[in-house]
Amino acid sequence: EAGVVQSPRYKIIEKKQPVAFWCNPISGHNTLYWYLQNLGQGPELLIRYENEEAVDDSQLPKDRFSAERLKGVDSTLKIQPAELGDSAVYLCASSPSNGTHRPDTQYFGPGTRLTVL
Amino acid sequence: AQSVTQLGSHVSVSEGALVLLRCNYSSSVPPYLFWYVQYPNQGLQLLLKYTSAATLVKGINGFEAEFKKSETSFHLTKPSAHMSDAAEYFCAVIHTGGFKTIFGAGTRLFVKA
Repeated sequence: EAGVVQSPRYKIIEKKQPVAFWCNPISGHNTLYWYLQNLGQGPELLIRYENEEAVDDSQLPKDRFSAERLKGVDSTLKIQPAELGDSAVYLCASSPSNGTHRPDTQYFGPGTRLTVL
Repeated sequence: AQSVTQLGSHVSVSEGALVLLRCNYSSSVPPYLFWYVQYPNQGLQLLLKYTSAATLVKGINGFEAEFKKSETSFHLTKPSAHMSDAAEYFCAVIHTGGFKTIFGAGTRLFVKA
């Protein structure tokens, strides 16, 4: 079974440029997460989707960040414009919807390492 | 509010020695607790999880953790370290009323030959 796929793996851009990250979750997983991981820290949730609905985007800086999950499968996270402080690893994760409303194991992709110059 | 504290950003052990990675949590309601491992340039992988069943949880690669409510702890142990255990380990908590996962800052494990 294929795991969570993310692309690109690495991205280097200049500040003020736009950037987009793509995530393909594990087949059948209804819940999708985007996390930000700064160096030496744990992941911090940016947004969580249940199918195509963003059910928790309270930590997403909406002035420059946006996300979408059309058709409830793949997802894209965009930053426009990027700032120096956005340099980090962006992780995507997915989990199955088990119908019991209990939090389930999250399966993580390898992440996209963003460097803003 | 929930939080997770991992004591020690770096832990170094000799190969064959006991591994002990500490995690304390705060949660106003019974939590779900997780340990994840992250190898360089990879995503996080679940080691084990506590979901209010047995307090001693066994995971992959010989790791286990014990939930101690009185100490609000969920320390990760392995009897004998292997070189391949060198990685970053994250403790995480979700309270039973929600789905937001709070991760600790991580502990990097070094294994010396």
